Amino acid sequence: GQQLNQSPQSMFIQEGEDVSMNCTSSSIFNTWLWYKQEPGEGPVLLIALYKAGELTSNGRLTAQFGITRKDSFLNISASIPSDVGIYFCAGPMIQGAQKLVFGQGTRLTINP
Amino acid sequence: DGGITQSPKYLFRKEGQNVTLSCEQNLNHDAMYWYRQDPGQGLRLIYYSQIVNDFQKGDIAEGYSVSREKKESFPLTVTSAQKNPTAFYLCASIGTGIGYTFGSGTRLTVV
Repeated sequence: GQQLNQSPQSMFIQEGEDVSMNCTSSSIFNTWLWYKQEPGEGPVLLIALYKAGELTSNGRLTAQFGITRKDSFLNISASIPSDVGIYFCAGPMIQGAQKLVFGQGTRLTINP
Repeated sequence: DGGITQSPKYLFRKEGQNVTLSCEQNLNHDAMYWYRQDPGQGLRLIYYSQIVNDFQKGDIAEGYSVSREKKESFPLTVTSAQKNPTAFYLCASIGTGIGYTFGSGTRLTVV
């Protein structure tokens, strides 16, 4: 079935550094979603990408929909302590039912 | 404000006991989902429902049961057949837009 491979699994950075993470699949996706989950809470949608090559920003976050439609990237610039959390990529399953498949997540830890 | 409410936030289950996790939404969404989250494994789909009185198994349905008697409610029962139930459980729903809206989760621990 469709799977999303997300990397890295974890990151430990200093406050102010830029962050980059990516998500790849062996299958084509028509939509890519990026979620953030803070400790003890449910994930919250950050960015949605709908077209190959699309580059979308949300404040300090920038995400790109890969040209091959098999990958996506999320960058965070000038990280701050509140960026801590787990970032998930997700995409809709082809079979419908509006089901999403999720990557394993990237856990971001920031040292002040 | 519209959203999804999960309760309780923390739940403790004894061996051999069934427990039910509540999920209520006031978003008027048709489709609802239950996910299980374990460390390092992302989100795995347990059950989903696209419409009232109908639901389907996800990838890890064994040991779980659900009902969908009302559009707003999609409770999940963790049965004694689920041998490793300790996890963080997330409920989600989706309307006509893209992407899920998630609840804030229930952390279930076996004691």
